[in-house]
Amino acid sequence: EPEVTQTPSHQVTQMGQEVILRCVPISNHLYFYWYRQILGQKVEFLVSFYNNEISEKSEIFDDQFSVERPDGSNFTLKIRSTKLEDSAMYFCASNRLAGAITDTQYFGPGTRLTVL
Amino acid sequence: DQQVKQNSPSLSVQEGRISILNCDYTNSMFDYFLWYKKYPAEGPTFLISISSIKDKNEDGRFTVFLNKSAKHLSLHIVPSQPGDSAVYFCAASEDNTDKLIFGTGTRLQVFP
Repeated sequence: EPEVTQTPSHQVTQMGQEVILRCVPISNHLYFYWYRQILGQKVEFLVSFYNNEISEKSEIFDDQFSVERPDGSNFTLKIRSTKLEDSAMYFCASNRLAGAITDTQYFGPGTRLTVL
Repeated sequence: DQQVKQNSPSLSVQEGRISILNCDYTNSMFDYFLWYKKYPAEGPTFLISISSIKDKNEDGRFTVFLNKSAKHLSLHIVPSQPGDSAVYFCAASEDNTDKLIFGTGTRLQVFP
């Protein structure tokens, strides 16, 4: 069964450094998402992406964050200058059609980001 | 801003019995609700969903009930199995958006 994959599984970085989290969505999916879960808290929406554009973003997704689909398979989340509070599990998700009501979002296993 | 709330952080149920996980929401614009299951070191896995035009959706051992007037939904698992032990997240969305709003999760443990 096709699945969303994410690399690395765990990333440790120093505060102020740039990190890039990578995701390979399911191959025929067109809509891509990033969510994050701070330890002990709920899963939070960050951004949705379609047709090489951000379609929606949350208040969390400030100027320090960016997303990109550099080729036909990868979908990346970049944090320009990491802060301690960016430490979290970051989940990538994808679906084929727009709208949760029409198509389920499939989640990857997550990347645990630790900012020291 | 807790638009989706799961007030029980954990639930322990004996194998074979019914598990009932509850979820409350505050946003009346939500029109689609989902349950995801999450094992450690894995991403959330879709389990079952319900549209706001229905009050019940069933899929095998899993049934979701929606009470719109009370802004409450529940997930029933019967019979519960040890493999059901996981964290269960309730999520909701509005029709004009793709983003999912998650609850804080309920850890279900099914013991023999």
